[in-house]
Amino acid sequence: GAVVSQHPSRVICKSGTSVKIECRSLDFQATTMFWYRQFPKQSLMLMATSNEGSKATYEQGVEKDKFLINHASLTLSTLTVTSAHPEDSSFYICSARLYQETQYFGPGTRLLVL
Amino acid sequence: AQSVTQLDSHVSVSEGTPVLLRCNYSSSYSPSLFWYVQHPNKGLQLLLKYTSAATLVKGINGFEAEFKKSETSFHLTKPSAHMSDAAEYFCVVRTSGGGADGLTFGKGTHLIIQP
Repeated sequence: GAVVSQHPSRVICKSGTSVKIECRSLDFQATTMFWYRQFPKQSLMLMATSNEGSKATYEQGVEKDKFLINHASLTLSTLTVTSAHPEDSSFYICSARLYQETQYFGPGTRLLVL
Repeated sequence: AQSVTQLDSHVSVSEGTPVLLRCNYSSSYSPSLFWYVQHPNKGLQLLLKYTSAATLVKGINGFEAEFKKSETSFHLTKPSAHMSDAAEYFCVVRTSGGGADGLTFGKGTHLIIQP
């Protein structure tokens, strides 16, 4: 089956620093990647949709200057949380999709901002 | 607009007994429906999906779901629960028309398996 990886799996950073999370589709080329955020015991909330080679589309209420998304190739998308603050602490999950096929999810990245 | 309602936030069953996780959806267009499972601190794993083919969909680990358009439901079932089934389950809808993209998630159902 399709495999999506995320790196790092867990990161702790100081308030005010930036953190980059990578999402890779390992055995297929993903025309579209999605970034989700999940708070404890809650569902996933879509943050943004990124298509390879174009700007990401952000959901309402998501600050595009704070959550920078780059989809440089068909197998890699990155999410950078800029000037992170404690309220950005969360579980970030990416997914990858080839055309209109099923989304395959990464294992998630736990971010803790101190 | 599309939405998903998972009717139970928690379901508790005994090992070896049937599992029923309920899901109702609303969608303006022909929907694709999915069930995903999430174990603690893990990503989501696809259990099964409905994409306008057979209404009874069989998935992994003995799970299946039936698409009922008249009831706008897509309930997940398993004949006999196993301890390893304890996890969070998400019902998800994706609209195939109208320019919509991405997935809409239900709030999740926490499945507890009693020994």
